[in-house]
Parts: sequence; structure tokens; C-alpha cells
Amino acid sequence: GNSVTQMEGPVTLSEEAFLTINCTYTATGYPSLFWYVQYPGEGLQLLLKATKADDKGSNKGFEATYRKETTSFHLEKGSVQVSDSAVYFCALSDRPNAGKSTFGDGTTLTVKP
Amino acid sequence: KAGVTQTPRYLIKTRGQQVTLSCSPISGHRSVSWYQQTPGQGLQFLFEYFSETQRNKGNFPGRFSGRQFSNSRSEMNVSTLELGDSALYLCASHGGSSSYNSPLHFGNGTRLTVT
Repeated sequence: GNSVTQMEGPVTLSEEAFLTINCTYTATGYPSLFWYVQYPGEGLQLLLKATKADDKGSNKGFEATYRKETTSFHLEKGSVQVSDSAVYFCALSDRPNAGKSTFGDGTTLTVKP
Repeated sequence: KAGVTQTPRYLIKTRGQQVTLSCSPISGHRSVSWYQQTPGQGLQFLFEYFSETQRNKGNFPGRFSGRQFSNSRSEMNVSTLELGDSALYLCASHGGSSSYNSPLHFGNGTRLTVT
């Protein structure tokens, strides 16, 4: 079956520090990969996605590249802000089960001023 | 476009009772999925409905059930509640029948507490 393994947290950084959250996956097919973010008291919202090998997803300064050879989709940001404090989830979606995504355990990021 | 709406936001129930949660997807979305989120287990897939039919099912006991109506709204029911059912229940809608590269759109969840 499918699985997603995320870097364990929590992660605490100072403002303007570099962020990396590791994500590796196992899939039986050729999945699409996603990063979602969850702010306190809210549901998850899409941060970025990539649908094929070597695609780079980017949004709000965050980036992740679909690496098929290493089955990875690591999230990076060059300079984090306090407002980036949230829980980040790596996820995959495999055809034809688009509604049945597999999620990592989530990584809690706290950014201190 | 309105987002995914879940009601109620909070519920407190007693062991043995049953509960029904509601989800209205984004207009035009025909797929609705349900997830259970707990600190220990993360996000666990419950089931997915598409055009009023259950298309996928996770590994939850039969006490967890759902349905979808012709307007794509979905309900989830949990019978004979147990303490371990306390969780945030998230509903997500999805735009296509087979567009697996489209993301899920989540509601803000229903926080269920079982005492």
C-alpha cells in the first residue's frame, strides 16, 4: 500500500532561518504529491503540489521538488516568518483514488521572532 | 466560491450515544471524503463518496458510516460512541472523478468529544 513518512517534529526556528521538512513516500503507482498546511483551529489547506517527476511546486516562498529516484518531496523555504508557524502535512494521491489521499504524521513548525 | 462547510463545529457526546456530522462540499464538487484526525494517529481516511456511492473505505469499524445526497452534501454517522472516537473529523471535497492530481479542499472540521 501507500505510505508517507515525514520528518519528526516539532521544529523550532528563529525568524529568517532556512526551513527543510523531509518527506519520503512509498506508492504502488505514480502518485501526485502535495504539501498541506494546517493553522490552529482550521482544516488543512493546500500549500503546493507536484504531479510528475522533477516538477517543482512553489507557493508563498515554499518549494518542493518531486524526486522519483529518491521517492522524496522535501519542503523548503529560504527565510521563515512567524506567520509560517503551523502544522505541515506531506501527502500523496494515487489514481484512481483521488479522494483517498495518504498523509504523513505532520510536522509542527514554530517560528520565534 | 464558498468553501467546504462542516457543521457543527463542536460536539460533546456521552459514551454509547450516536452522532451525525454534516458536510457541504464546494459547489460542483461531486467527491466528498472524511478523515479522522487525532494527535496519536494523525489523519486517517474514513471513506469517500462520489455521486451518492461509496467509492473507497478505510479501516474503521462498522460503527462509522456515511452517505451522500443528490446535491453532493454528505453526512457521517458514528453509533455507540467510544471514548477513543474523540477527534477532529475533517471533510474534504474534490473536483473530479479521476483527477488525482487535484488537491483536496478541506472544511474546518467538527471537534467531537466523547465523555
